Amino acid sequence: GENVEQHPSTLSVQEGDSAVIKCTYSDSASNYFPWYKQELGKRPQLIIDIRSNVGEKKDQRIAVTLNKTAKHFSLHITETQPEDSAVYFCAARLLNSGGSNYKLTFGKGTLLTVNP
Amino acid sequence: DAGVIQSPRHEVTEMGQEVTLRCKPISGHDYLFWYRQTMMRGLELLIYFNNNVPIDDSGMPEDRFSAKMPNASFSTLKIQPSEPRDSAVYFCASSLVFWSGLAGGHNYNEQFFGPGTRLTVL
Repeated sequence: GENVEQHPSTLSVQEGDSAVIKCTYSDSASNYFPWYKQELGKRPQLIIDIRSNVGEKKDQRIAVTLNKTAKHFSLHITETQPEDSAVYFCAARLLNSGGSNYKLTFGKGTLLTVNP
Repeated sequence: DAGVIQSPRHEVTEMGQEVTLRCKPISGHDYLFWYRQTMMRGLELLIYFNNNVPIDDSGMPEDRFSAKMPNASFSTLKIQPSEPRDSAVYFCASSLVFWSGLAGGHNYNEQFFGPGTRLTVL
């Protein structure tokens, strides 16, 4: 099955700096890569996703890049703010031959702390 | 829509007792997922359903765990008997698969998570 590795496990930045979280996946057939944000004591929520037909996607201060050849994708947060502090999870979805698999494999998460 | 609803929000029980967690997915969604989250193992998929039918239960840790989805608006995850190592936050998520004509016509779906049930087994 799919295996997703996420680094770093913790990341501390100063407010206004950029933060980058990286993930690698094992199966080249994976075609969908969402990122979820989980605030302390809350549920994971989708913040951005990227599909295998594009290399980069942006949404305001958040961007995700995908390198299919190297099988890695990254989350970039610019101009970080204290409210960005949370655990961020990457995930990958393996498309099976029947096109009916919707199982997401999650990375272990990155605890991002933005210091004021 | 109220989103995914889970109950109870917190459950404290003693080892050996039966525990039942409940989930109501978002109306109209056709996929339902059960996850377990711990510090050590992260977010693990236990089982998922499509149109009330279990599709993949390879993540269910042991026979002590069972899940059902008797109809489109309700699912349960049962642990019997419970053990201290089952202590975790259990999330239910639902999604609606849609077809994207772009990118070769692949299916994509966002998973919406419920608030979770924090289970403590003493």
